[in-house]
Amino acid sequence: DAGVIQSPRHEVTEMGQEVTLRCKPISGHNSLFWYRQTMMRGLELLIYFNNNVPIDDSGMPEDRFSAKMPNASFSTLKIQPSEPRDSAVYFCASSPRQGGNYEQYFGPGTRLTVT
Amino acid sequence: AQSVTQPDIHITVSEGASLELRCNYSYGATPYLFWYVQSPGQGLQLLLKYFSGDTLVQGIKGFEAEFKRSQSSFNLRKPSVHWSDAAEYFCAVGGINAGGTSYGKLTFGQGTILTVHP
Repeated sequence: DAGVIQSPRHEVTEMGQEVTLRCKPISGHNSLFWYRQTMMRGLELLIYFNNNVPIDDSGMPEDRFSAKMPNASFSTLKIQPSEPRDSAVYFCASSPRQGGNYEQYFGPGTRLTVT
Repeated sequence: AQSVTQPDIHITVSEGASLELRCNYSYGATPYLFWYVQSPGQGLQLLLKYFSGDTLVQGIKGFEAEFKRSQSSFNLRKPSVHWSDAAEYFCAVGGINAGGTSYGKLTFGQGTILTVHP
C-alpha cells in the first residue's frame, strides 16, 4: 500500500508569493495532520482533521496559513503571502484512528525555501 | 499538559554496540507512547508504540522499548547497532488525561541524533 504522498518535495519561492502544499493520506485513514519542522522549533503541529473536518488549528501561526481537506484523499496547506521565516520542512501525516492520540504515518515532507 | 523530554541531544556509539535512548514524559493519566526515526531528508517512520499491556514492546528494525510507569520513562533499546541506524530518533506521547478526555494530539520530544562509528 502506498504511504502518505506529498507534493512538491521541494519548493523555492520569493517572499510574497502564494505557496500550496499538497497531501494524499493513506487510504482508509480517518485523521490527517500538518506539521512544520525547523531546527529552532523542532516539530510543530499546525492543524489536524478528523473525517475531513478541522479539529484543532491552534498551531497555525497566523492568518497567512490556511488548510483544507475537501475529501478523504486530499488536503492542502496554503501560505499567502509567504515570508522567509516560513522556510521549513512541512510534513503531512495520517492516522487510522480518530482523536490525534494514536500512531501517525508521515509523508516524506516538502522542503520550502522562501527567499 | 503533556510533555516529553529526550535528555540526550546527540549520542555516538560504535557499530555492534548496544544502544539505549532515553525518553521521559509527563502526562495526566494514561499515556500512549511512540518512538519514531527520521533519516536525513526523509519523514518520520514509526518504530514502535505502546498503549497498554506488556510493558516491553517490540518494534521494527530490531528495536524495543520498555514502559516504566514509576520512572515515567519509555527508553528505546537495541542490542547491536548497525551503521544504517544512524538517524534522529523522536519519542512522542499522547493519551488520556486525568479527567478522562483525550489530549487530542501527540507531543514530540526534541529528538536524539544517533551517530554510529564503524
